[in-house]
Amino acid sequence: AQSVAQPEDQVNVAEGNPLTVKCTYSVSGNPYLFWYVQYPNRGLQFLLKYITGDNLVKGSYGFEAEFNKSQTSFHLKKPSALVSDSALYFCAVRETGGFKTIFGAGTRLFVKA
Amino acid sequence: SAVISQKPSRDICQRGTSLTIQCQVDSQVTMMFWYRQQPGQSLTLIATANQGSEATYESGFVIDKFPISRPNLTFSTLTVSNMSPEDSSIYLCSVDRASGTYNEQFFGPGTRLTVL
Repeated sequence: AQSVAQPEDQVNVAEGNPLTVKCTYSVSGNPYLFWYVQYPNRGLQFLLKYITGDNLVKGSYGFEAEFNKSQTSFHLKKPSALVSDSALYFCAVRETGGFKTIFGAGTRLFVKA
Repeated sequence: SAVISQKPSRDICQRGTSLTIQCQVDSQVTMMFWYRQQPGQSLTLIATANQGSEATYESGFVIDKFPISRPNLTFSTLTVSNMSPEDSSIYLCSVDRASGTYNEQFFGPGTRLTVL
């Protein structure tokens, strides 16, 4: 069965510093991997996805994620955090050819000015 | 992209009553999904709804509690029956749409339900 782990409930970063939000996954076969962001009282917004190809994926709002097959990880990164990046971030996985998307528990990111 | 609307956007309901949430998509889709997001928690898949067949429920969810209709390829409803405060959540509709060799997933804005 597929699963996603986000080991950190919360990540605190100072504005201007790089940020990393961690995600590891477990699937049988090749994964499709996603990051979503949820701002307070707003819907779920797609950030980026890994399907195949280059391990470094660039997405919206300056975010990127690196797929590491050997470590089964898909960590979300941004070189310079903004206060407006403060939100709830979800990692998600889907098996190749599958139709169910499984979400991680979420990581709350706080960026301090 | 897909445009998905949900009604109502939020509601406050009394214990023991039922609420039907509507999901409308701007174009035809084969698969529609209903998720629940309890306060401060992640998204949990409730069921998958294909047009013309009964919904497939995930472990922990049953049709009597969460009946789903899928009358056509652009619309679905989820009913939360005999509600209790534990049903207070955001309910999200989601669809798949083909994007090359991959099906991309889109989410509606959600319905925020509070049960008193």
